[in-house]
Amino acid sequence: DAMVIQNPRYQVTQFGKPVTLSCSQTLNHNVMYWYQQKSSQAPKLLFHYYDKDFNNEADTPDNFQSRRPNTSFCFLDIRSPGLGDAAMYLCATSRAGTSLNEQFFGPGTRLTVL
Amino acid sequence: KQEVTQIPAALSVPEGENLVLNCSFTDSAIYNLQWFRQDPGKGLTSLLLIQSSQREQTSGRLNASLDKSSGRSTLYIAASQPGDSATYLCAVSHNTDKLIFGTGTRLQVFP
Repeated sequence: DAMVIQNPRYQVTQFGKPVTLSCSQTLNHNVMYWYQQKSSQAPKLLFHYYDKDFNNEADTPDNFQSRRPNTSFCFLDIRSPGLGDAAMYLCATSRAGTSLNEQFFGPGTRLTVL
Repeated sequence: KQEVTQIPAALSVPEGENLVLNCSFTDSAIYNLQWFRQDPGKGLTSLLLIQSSQREQTSGRLNASLDKSSGRSTLYIAASQPGDSATYLCAVSHNTDKLIFGTGTRLQVFP
């Protein structure tokens, strides 16, 4: 089945220790998104890639970076995680240029910062 | 700036009831609206997507309506079951970019 895969599902890191979260997709979608969702809050977009073009949200901290080496993979790098970065990180994909632009989400990675 | 609000924040109903979840948005110039389900600690599952030109979409026991001019959408769940217990999120998009989410309605259906 075509899907969005996130690894790992659970990630524990130490305060200030860099961490990378991974997302891959078999849907061949040209847009990939990273959302942050804190407990009992709505998901908040951090950035997205439209093909190779990176689009950062204005209020995304510099501590968060992303890489998309190819169509299938996208990475979220947190350079120096703080306690406030503990959250669920959701990856999503869509096919822009269609009338639907429906977004499909992965299962998420729950990040704990000690 | 688009704001999405969902009412109620939480809902607890007995099994078998029909129920309505509400979503409102401040900017009616949306491209589409999606309803999602989120189980505790899990990702989002897309339930229904309504394009801006549509009035409603149906999938099984779920029916979503859209009144773009008034900035409202409803998700109707017929004959609710304990397995429907989850958080339901609505989200709107403008053109072909990001989704703006509401904070969700946490639904509990008890036997």
